[in-house]
Amino acid sequence: AQKITQTQPGMFVQEKEAVTLDCTYDTSDQSYGLFWYKQPSSGEMIFLIYQGSYDEQNATEGRYSLNFQKARKSANLVISASQLGDSAMYFCAMREGVPGNTGKLIFGQGTTLQVKP
Amino acid sequence: EAQVTQNPRYLITVTGKKLTVTCSQNMNHEYMSWYRQDPGLGLRQIYYSMNVEVTDKGDVPEGYKVSRKEKRNFPLILESPSPNQTSLYFCASSLFGGSSYEQYFGPGTRLTVT
Repeated sequence: AQKITQTQPGMFVQEKEAVTLDCTYDTSDQSYGLFWYKQPSSGEMIFLIYQGSYDEQNATEGRYSLNFQKARKSANLVISASQLGDSAMYFCAMREGVPGNTGKLIFGQGTTLQVKP
Repeated sequence: EAQVTQNPRYLITVTGKKLTVTCSQNMNHEYMSWYRQDPGLGLRQIYYSMNVEVTDKGDVPEGYKVSRKEKRNFPLILESPSPNQTSLYFCASSLFGGSSYEQYFGPGTRLTVT
């Protein structure tokens, strides 16, 4: 069965430092997408970054990068130069490929990140 | 502005009183979905729709109904709400249902059923 595992319930990082949030996944699909979302205390879900299973390059979006290691089935999020506004819950998610595609996102349990001034 | 909107944002209701949570997107997306988020259980899919008039059950569909009569709207209906449906609900949409398309989420609806 497809599964996302985030093993860090909570993390602290000093402002301006980099932090890595861990994510491992399990799937038998060859085609899948990996996503990271941010959920601040206000509750909304904000898309951060996407990595496709066939992408050879690691995805980057501004201060966010995804360290994709396909053989190890890991998709860690790296936030560089942390800011106070980065304090939030972060979710790793996977979207199914075909066949039998329901289009759903399978979410991990989330990691709460707190940035210290 | 491209967005997914949900209404209401907050709702407190009583057991058995039918309610509808509306969801609308202005991005001409074909795929729409509803999730609920509960502590310790994460986000789980309730229903999804690949296109107009095409809907199907997700992982936790019991007690919910949906319809997709127009491309932009995907309301979630609770015919007889019960306290175990107290949750944070998200509507989401993406251009298509494939694995490479990001889902855009609405702001969430916090529902309490007493």
